[in-house]
Amino acid sequence: GIQVEQSPPDLILQEGANSTLRCNFSDSVNNLQWFHQNPWGQLINLFYIPSGTKQNGRLSATTVATERYSLLYISSSQTTDSGVYFCAVTMDSNYQLIWGAGTKLIIKP
Amino acid sequence: DVKVTQSSRYLVKRTGEKVFLECVQDMDHENMFWYRQDPGLGLRLIYFSYDVKMKEKGDIPEGYSVSREKKERFSLILESASTNQTSMYLCASKIGGRSYEQYFGPGTRLTVT
Repeated sequence: GIQVEQSPPDLILQEGANSTLRCNFSDSVNNLQWFHQNPWGQLINLFYIPSGTKQNGRLSATTVATERYSLLYISSSQTTDSGVYFCAVTMDSNYQLIWGAGTKLIIKP
Repeated sequence: DVKVTQSSRYLVKRTGEKVFLECVQDMDHENMFWYRQDPGLGLRLIYFSYDVKMKEKGDIPEGYSVSREKKERFSLILESASTNQTSMYLCASKIGGRSYEQYFGPGTRLTVT
């Protein structure tokens, strides 16, 4: 089945720093989503981005479907950005989201 | 804005009890999902429903059942709760079809003692 790999697994940064999170997937996908899971467990939709580039405030994402990767950029990090960032994809063949293992981000004040 | 709500944030039940977890979405979405999330195992799909009264097994359906009598509501049922069902349970919904994004509820942290 399709493999979804995220890197790095852990990231510790000072407030104000920029970061890039990566998601590689092993097959063609028709849906790719980035989520932020906050310390209370809620999964928050960041981007629906099967291809192209999107921006939302300090966050932006780029998916290069032909090369099977997606990048999430966080600029000017704040402590509230801490949590786990997940990438998840679906394929043509079914509805199921296939999840990466996540990147745990800690932003220190 | 899509809103997915779950009946409880925290729940404590005893072994052998029947447990109902309720999920409601307000965007007329056709598809609804139940996941559980455990440390080191990520999110795993338990069941999903692509329409009213329709259900499909996910990766780990054993010990669970579901009910979808109305479009907006998807219930997860633990017929006889066991300690290995202690977990975070997350509900999601989306528009019908293979594409489109899933929206998640706040989660229910279930502890079975």
